[in-house]
Amino acid sequence: EVQLVQSGAEVKKPGESLKISCKGSEYSFTNYWIGWVRQTPGKGLEWMGIIYPSNSDIRYSLSFQGQVTISADMSTNTAYLQWNSLKASDTATYYCMRRLSGLAWYMDVWGEGTTVTVSS
Amino acid sequence: DIRMTQSPTSLAASAGDRVTITCRAGQSIRNYVNWFQQKPGKAPKLLIYAASTLQSGVPSRFSGSGSGTDFTLTISSLQPEDFATYYCQQSADTLGTFGQGTKVEV
Repeated sequence: EVQLVQSGAEVKKPGESLKISCKGSEYSFTNYWIGWVRQTPGKGLEWMGIIYPSNSDIRYSLSFQGQVTISADMSTNTAYLQWNSLKASDTATYYCMRRLSGLAWYMDVWGEGTTVTVSS
Repeated sequence: DIRMTQSPTSLAASAGDRVTITCRAGQSIRNYVNWFQQKPGKAPKLLIYAASTLQSGVPSRFSGSGSGTDFTLTISSLQPEDFATYYCQQSADTLGTFGQGTKVEV
């Protein structure tokens, strides 16, 4: 079964760093984009960015450019989302998903989500 | 960014009802719309892609239609497991925006 398995919930303080992960299995990890989406009660679902693992082509949403870093490790079929200095406003659930390429693309496989809580 | 506006934001329905959710794009996006279902505490699940193509494994009571700027998700006969929040999402951009969601409740 094709799966994306995300790392567990995190509780952090403002200013701390964090790296969460998303591990793919049972498919060719390098041949699909991996995307990250943030979900909050107030703003709904927001795209953060995508990465194509085979060549590390990364596209960030303007809202998240410079705020997070997306990366991938082909040797472990894992994508990452990283913050250098968390803010309380980063409190949210973060989902990774497999995004198909080409026209009329869509996201067919999702991770279970990682809840991040940032509080002093 | 292309704005996606869903309506209604919530609706009350009963099992067996026919339910229709609409999504309007801020500009023409051909058939580049996907629909997702999300239940509390769970990840969104793909129902429909390219406006009208049913994802494998999704019950046939779900259907999608539309092109250009106006799109519709229809549930022909609501089942108890269908009470959830539904999102449209456009795939005309590299990072396609989501609608704000429609909560279907009892």
